[in-house]
Amino acid sequence: SQQGEEDPQALSIQEGENATMNCSYKTSINNLQWYRQNSGRGLVHLILIRSNEREKHSGRLRVTLDTSKKSSSLLITASRAADTASYFCATDGAAGNKLTFGGGTRVLVKP
Amino acid sequence: EAGVTQSPTHLIKTRGQQATLRCSPISGHTSVYWYQQALGLGLQFLLWYDEGEERNRGNFPPRFSGRQFPNYSSELNVNALELEDSALYLCASTWVAWGSNQPQHFGDGTRLSIL
Repeated sequence: SQQGEEDPQALSIQEGENATMNCSYKTSINNLQWYRQNSGRGLVHLILIRSNEREKHSGRLRVTLDTSKKSSSLLITASRAADTASYFCATDGAAGNKLTFGGGTRVLVKP
Repeated sequence: EAGVTQSPTHLIKTRGQQATLRCSPISGHTSVYWYQQALGLGLQFLLWYDEGEERNRGNFPPRFSGRQFPNYSSELNVNALELEDSALYLCASTWVAWGSNQPQHFGDGTRLSIL
């Protein structure tokens, strides 16, 4: 079963614009992770934020976590055509290291 | 450093057959995870192996099974294949288990198609 929802399900932007996607989850977590998937291939790990952190940056990526609202957001700044992919949030809770994924956001960056 | 490798890339089977999928973790990683990504169902956790033992199992029937070998590579076996088993099967690995806040590193998956 899915841990939560991602919003929006799909996003279309122009190159250079920012892309923001949100993730909500239901149970307590150890950490929340964001992954990228290109065209049905494997998942690429982007960033991990621990439950006691509120914000984390990695290059053009910014992730926030609000545990009181059980939500997270991923911001991609100055998007590029190569950022076209599906983005998934995943939570790592207390139940034995498994990741529980959201439904994903499909991002299309138009050149 | 080589990443997680999975084989085969594609596998075509018919209903009722058995499928074996293979995964080699990143060198030094002892935990291996299996996930299923089926159309309309999203990414779902299947199995977790660490140090040769099954540590956790997702909500899948017993015909989904696997094992981890002494070199930490892993096999996923699916018996009595059904049409709804058609999916991308992803393997991931980490070097420390038990809530260590480590990211999981994924392979490119095996696409299993059931005819």
